[in-house]
Amino acid sequence: AQKITQTQPGMFVQEKEAVTLDCTYDTSDQSYGLFWYKQPSSGEMIFLIYQGSYDEQNATEGRYSLNFQKARKSANLVISASQLGDSAMYFCAMRRNSWGKLQFGAGTQVVVTP
Amino acid sequence: DTGVSQNPRHKITKRGQNVTFRCDPISEHNRLYWYRQTLGQGPEFLTYFQNEAQLEKSRLLSDRFSAERPKGSFSTLEIQRTEQGDSAMYLCASSLAREGENEQFFGPGTRLTVL
Repeated sequence: AQKITQTQPGMFVQEKEAVTLDCTYDTSDQSYGLFWYKQPSSGEMIFLIYQGSYDEQNATEGRYSLNFQKARKSANLVISASQLGDSAMYFCAMRRNSWGKLQFGAGTQVVVTP
Repeated sequence: DTGVSQNPRHKITKRGQNVTFRCDPISEHNRLYWYRQTLGQGPEFLTYFQNEAQLEKSRLLSDRFSAERPKGSFSTLEIQRTEQGDSAMYLCASSLAREGENEQFFGPGTRLTVL
C-alpha cells in the first residue's frame, strides 16, 4: 500500500525567507509521480510542481523547487523568497501510474509573516 | 473561463435527502476524477473516468454514492440518503491522458453540509 506522510502540521515563516516542507512516501512501484499542490483559504487546489520517479534532475518552477531523494523516499518542497500570498495549506501527493488517482498527505499549513 | 467548473458551490441538505453535484472538466480532457476532502485532511480519491468509462472506484464510495459521465464530458456525483458524515468538500479534477501531461486541474469544489 502507498502512503504519503507530511510530518509538519504547521509552519511560520518570515517574508522573503525560504521554507522547506517535508514529504516522505512509501511505495514499491518503480514508476510513480510526486506532486505538490497549494490550497489557499478560498479552497481551490493549485498545482505547483511535479517530479517523476525517473527524473534525474530536481524539478523547479519559479520560486518552487522539489528536493527529490529517491533512496530516502522523500520529496521536499522548497519555497524561496516567501511572500505573504504563499500563506496556504500545502499538500504532497503521489500518483502510482501515468494518469491515475492522486494520493494526498495530510498537508502542512504555512503562514508567512511580515 | 476554461477551467474546471463545479455546481453548486455550496449545498445544505437535511439528512436522508438526495443530492447531485455536477462537474464540467476542461473541454479536451478525457480523464475526470472525484475526490472528497474533510476539514483538516488531504483530498481522498473517490472515483475516476476515462471518457465515459468509470475505471476505478474507491472503497470509500458506498452504495449510496453513484457517479456518471454519460457522454464523456461533464460528470455528476449523486449521494442518496445523505448522512451527516457525508459533509465534506467534493472536488472534481480533470486531466489529459497523454504522455508528458502530468497535472490534474481541480475545480473550486462543492461544499456539502448535511444537517
